Amino acid sequence: DGGITQSPKYLFRKEGQNVTLSCEQNLNHDAMYWYRQDPGQGLRLIYYSQIVNDFQKGDIAEGYSVSREKKESFPLTVTSAQKNPTAFYLCASRRRTSLGNEQFFGPGTRLTVL
Amino acid sequence: GENVEQHPSTLSVQEGDSAVIKCTYSDSASNYFPWYKQELGKRPQLIIDIRSNVGEKKDQRIAVTLNKTAKHFSLHITETQPEDSAVYFCAATYRDDKIIFGKGTRLHILP
Repeated sequence: DGGITQSPKYLFRKEGQNVTLSCEQNLNHDAMYWYRQDPGQGLRLIYYSQIVNDFQKGDIAEGYSVSREKKESFPLTVTSAQKNPTAFYLCASRRRTSLGNEQFFGPGTRLTVL
Repeated sequence: GENVEQHPSTLSVQEGDSAVIKCTYSDSASNYFPWYKQELGKRPQLIIDIRSNVGEKKDQRIAVTLNKTAKHFSLHITETQPEDSAVYFCAATYRDDKIIFGKGTRLHILP
């Protein structure tokens, strides 16, 4: 289970506050991803980064921001503009295989906005 | 746009019976189709994957089939066991390395 970590595991914030979720990997993977998981909604892509200092919006990027200053780190900021931020957030990094791209997921952060 | 549909959303099977989960994808350029298993409270993990130049792949009790013409692929679990109870996600990879996931199937193995 090592290699990609997220902190904290649980996070509580008041409505209107920005909050930053941490994601770190020591797998030397180039690409990293952020997903949001809601019951019955599967895994929805928020942002992804294929290389340092570059990132692209996913399907639900509104209200979120990211940075990729180091290969190992891909923090996600949930801003006050995100209308429904309470969810389970998963970070992943990508390993290229002979078949395709395997995603390695972190343990997740459960964010609750009160 | 890019989309992956997954059915059913919930599936209950008797222990020892087989389970089948089906997915369809929208972009004919997709060339890689992984399946992930997420046990309760844990992170998703890759269990099997297939590339578009292959029609079927098997790994012990699990198998995946792919029909490129119809743009659908399926996960088959035989001789189901209690530890197979989990949420299963199919996915398709698109040309820009985005991975689109289905909404998941919650599989219950009944004793």
